[in-house]
Amino acid sequence: GEDVEQSLFLSVREGDSSVINCTYTDSSSTYLYWYKQEPGAGLQLLTYIFSNMDMKQDQRLTVLLNKKDKHLSLRIADTQTGDSAIYFCAEFYSGGYQKVTFGTGTKLQVIP
Amino acid sequence: DAMVIQNPRYQVTQFGKPVTLSCSQTLNHNVMYWYQQKSSQAPKLLFHYYDKDFNNEADTPDNFQSRRPNTSFCFLDIRSPGLGDAAMYLCATRTYGTENTEAFFGQGTRLTVV
Repeated sequence: GEDVEQSLFLSVREGDSSVINCTYTDSSSTYLYWYKQEPGAGLQLLTYIFSNMDMKQDQRLTVLLNKKDKHLSLRIADTQTGDSAIYFCAEFYSGGYQKVTFGTGTKLQVIP
Repeated sequence: DAMVIQNPRYQVTQFGKPVTLSCSQTLNHNVMYWYQQKSSQAPKLLFHYYDKDFNNEADTPDNFQSRRPNTSFCFLDIRSPGLGDAAMYLCATRTYGTENTEAFFGQGTRLTVV
């Protein structure tokens, strides 16, 4: 079965880089996503990476994928107070069963 | 403009009183999901529809049902809410296929059971 795990909490100073890590177990995952959830809100897709890629950069966001170790990370450069939120990684298998499985979420606290 | 709309944003229901949460979409996506998210936890998939085909997760309680009368609307029915069903309920939609398509989420409905 699928299992996606993240560390629960990360605290960084404004202007520093944040790195949020995620491990997953389903090697058949096709896409891996990072979602952001602000308090009381739904989920907002930040970025994604296809499983045959190692890295993807999107402005301040860098996603690294180590498929061998089933490890995904999200790096946020120049972290701002507006980045404070919960970040979920999620895996998706594009085969017959269209299921998106979420990790446990990492709460990012940005200290001014 | 909101593309996945959930109503209401906040719902208070009495213990044991049936309640229905609604989700509508303007994206014409053929897959619609319902997730339950309890405080400080990951969203947990309850079930999803691919067109009219209903796919229930094995551990979703029988107390939770769903209806999808057409492409645009999907409902979550909780037949006899218990205190443990208090949570944020998230609806999401996507297009089925092997190409990557983003899952769009609604703002969620926060359910309180009293």
